[in-house]
Amino acid sequence: RKEVEQDPGPFNVPEGATVAFNCTYSNSASQSFFWYRQDCRKEPKLLMSVYSSGNEDGRFTAQLNRASQYISLLIRDSKLSDSATYLCVVNKEDSSYKLIFGSGTRLLVRP
Amino acid sequence: EAGVAQSPRYKIIEKRQSVAFWCNPISGHATLYWYQQILGQGPKLLIQFQNNGVVDDSQLPKDRFSAERLKGVDSTLKIQPAKLEDSAVYLCASSLDPTGELFFGEGSRLTVL
Repeated sequence: RKEVEQDPGPFNVPEGATVAFNCTYSNSASQSFFWYRQDCRKEPKLLMSVYSSGNEDGRFTAQLNRASQYISLLIRDSKLSDSATYLCVVNKEDSSYKLIFGSGTRLLVRP
Repeated sequence: EAGVAQSPRYKIIEKRQSVAFWCNPISGHATLYWYQQILGQGPKLLIQFQNNGVVDDSQLPKDRFSAERLKGVDSTLKIQPAKLEDSAVYLCASSLDPTGELFFGEGSRLTVL
């Protein structure tokens, strides 16, 4: 089983739609979780951290379910500019605080 | 503030040749990472430095890959000899500490023919 698994998509949605991505992780000892965004042929950039209580940043909401070992990202009112690959990232806090990236979920927002 | 600098941006070599990539992290960032990203996949950690010490290199193919960060600032990643499957983007990232946000460079795109 992969340490971090994501549905690769692509998710093809119209502007204004609400879309949700899930990501599962295998190590129950993981403590820190993030969503990074990667535009085509660009480097990944932090979108948001994921806190135990859930957190919201504008149109984006991230949630963590430790019991089921998954995190989610909800995007409301999708914009064309949201088209990108969304990478789920889990920090395995052993001695190295290793960050493990999922393969990413591709989102295409159409006019 | 300057971001993470990487060079070269693009490199094309033939298999069995060698190549080196350079990375200059954001000033003051103690943690430096090299990731390999193959097309269609997420970044895979090759090596992680804390200052000039190696913290994790468990996924670095040590028979052909080497990396160093001699003075705890900039770093080089070398591949010798290259294989076809090494074709990928090599991303350097840095953070203030191991728990902090990662800032990535634009990457070095390697094509091995």
